[in-house]
Amino acid sequence: DQQVKQNSPSLSVQEGRISILNCDYTNSMFDYFLWYKKYPAEGPTFLISISSIKDKNEDGRFTVFLNKSAKHLSLHIVPSQPGDSAVYFCAASDTTSGTYKYIFGTGTRLKVLA
Amino acid sequence: DTEVTQTPKHLVMGMTNKKSLKCEQHMGHRAMYWYKQKAKKPPELMFVYSYEKLSINESVPSRFSPECPNSSLLNLHLHALQPEDSALYLCASSDDQGSYEQYFGPGTRLTVT
Repeated sequence: DQQVKQNSPSLSVQEGRISILNCDYTNSMFDYFLWYKKYPAEGPTFLISISSIKDKNEDGRFTVFLNKSAKHLSLHIVPSQPGDSAVYFCAASDTTSGTYKYIFGTGTRLKVLA
Repeated sequence: DTEVTQTPKHLVMGMTNKKSLKCEQHMGHRAMYWYKQKAKKPPELMFVYSYEKLSINESVPSRFSPECPNSSLLNLHLHALQPEDSALYLCASSDDQGSYEQYFGPGTRLTVT
């Protein structure tokens, strides 16, 4: 049972335009969400997070939106740059469980075209 | 400092060898993790240590043995591995006090021959 899903395995965007990566989850107990960027053969790099008490968090070119009623979050990158080309994972956690467990989505490969 | 370090970067071992992977963080994080990642797949959780005690074992075979000597160090002891255990092994750490960001190390690329 995939509790965190990223239904788009890949996405291509022109440089300078907006990239929107989507993530859906099924467990209503998840209350903390993270986005990671990953290059091949490297560890994931933390990008941005959001708590369920917020519906938006912004950090530079990265903005994450959370829609709790739809159990959906999205990562917006604007403007997109060629260096943003990587695999993006969302991850979710129930911080009240005390287990410190994060569930990862399957990833979306973003390609930013110059 | 948000750095998690892992050694070695690459490891090739035979099926009869015993080796260890090491992970270190100095962020004061109280939770540390081992993940396994195969190509084109998300990180797959193996173990979680919380306050130096094993809190989660995701039904990992006993040929993988974790150890947390202190709050900054996490080891993964490997013995009698199989070729299908070849993967990128990632260590991560996170806080449990107000900030739950999980930070990953660069990983150890393990090849079992």
